[in-house]
Order: sequence, then structure tokens, then C-alpha cells
Amino acid sequence: NAGVTQTPKFQVLKTGQSMTLQCAQDMNHNSMYWYRQDPGMGLRLIYYSASEGTTDKGEVPNGYNVSRLNKREFSLRLESAAPSQTSVYFCASGLAGRGEQYFGPGTRLTVT
Amino acid sequence: AQKITQTQPGMFVQEKEAVTLDCTYDTSDPSYGLFWYKQPSSGEMIFLIYQGSYDQQNATEGRYSLNFQKARKSANLVISASQLGDSAMYFCAMRGLVTGGGNKLTFGTGTQLKVEL
Repeated sequence: NAGVTQTPKFQVLKTGQSMTLQCAQDMNHNSMYWYRQDPGMGLRLIYYSASEGTTDKGEVPNGYNVSRLNKREFSLRLESAAPSQTSVYFCASGLAGRGEQYFGPGTRLTVT
Repeated sequence: AQKITQTQPGMFVQEKEAVTLDCTYDTSDPSYGLFWYKQPSSGEMIFLIYQGSYDQQNATEGRYSLNFQKARKSANLVISASQLGDSAMYFCAMRGLVTGGGNKLTFGTGTQLKVEL
């Protein structure tokens, strides 16, 4: 039982390049989330998927797109990376009810 | 809108002592949940403890307890008998419902705890 996995762990991009961050969970959770974490700030929600087949914007969605490929997988795409997107990205999954979320190990992204 | 405030950027505690990390919140929802997460230097986010707004008793999980004072809108984390391995960043978070189900978490800015010998 791996929980939530993310790939890659580290990535360096040049401004304008694109990339996709992958996330998968094996806990049979309905909901999945993408957050970013910047120094001195807590985690901020980028996009979420409350259930398979649905996605919606969170607090900071500009510059990102997502795809809920199936119940297990939820990817985050940067179409044209900008230095302001340098951050640590966390994927999470969770059930309804209490609402606790379980996080992947994170992807450290640097855009130069 | 929901808001979480953690006013202690950094805290020090001696090993084996207890420490309280402060968290205040603001919400207009009658039903909500409060969480604490630990982020060690390795970077992962680890769920520690949950408190529901209608729970009558304060939550406890091993050495962690949540001092929930609803009227004051505070949800402080108490760590008893601190260990060196407790050195980490600690985040308070609140659950809010999102469209179509699911739960959005709003996080505070965190408190960096350092446990000293």
C-alpha cells in the first residue's frame, strides 16, 4: 500500500516550457487535490477533483490545468512555466466525512 | 471565507517538556473540522489529529491532544513529553466543503518547532 505517489520528485524548467506532474493514490479515495507550498506560506489549493470525472478551480488556478484520468490518477499540467511557479507541489487524496487528506511526498519545481 | 491564523513562527521546547502550538480560526460555517499536520525537514505532510466542530471532547492521539475552545475559535495543539523527532513545521488547517462534495483544506502559515536537549 503506497498511499499517494508523485512523479517526478524534482524538476527544473526554463521559462515557457511545459510539463505534467503525475499523482496516483491506492486508497480508493474519491477526492484528489493539488496544492502548492511557497516559503512562509501554508499550502494553497490549486485544483481539486471531488470525484472521478469532475474537476474544479481552487484558490490559485491560473497557469495550471488538471486531468482526473481515473479514480486513482490526477495530473497537473503547466502549459507555459513561469518563475512565479517555482514551488513545492503536493498532491493529496481524501474521503468525504471527516475530510482529512493524505499527501504525496511532493515535487520540488524550479523555473528559471 | 475561512481563515486560519498561526501567530508563532518559531517555538523552542526542551526534550520531555510539553509544548502548545497556537491556532485560531474564522469561519461562518456551522459545521467544520480542524486538523493538524506535521512537516519534518524531509518535506512530507503527516496527518496528526482531527477535531470536529460538534465533538464534545477534545481529540487525543497518543502524545498529541487538541485543546478546542469553540467560543474563542481556537484549536491549539499540545504535544506532551517532547522528543527530538518532534522537531518540524506544524500546520493547522480547517475543512470547508467544496462544490460537488470533497473537502477543501485551508492552511495556516505554520509554526517551526525545535526540540532541544
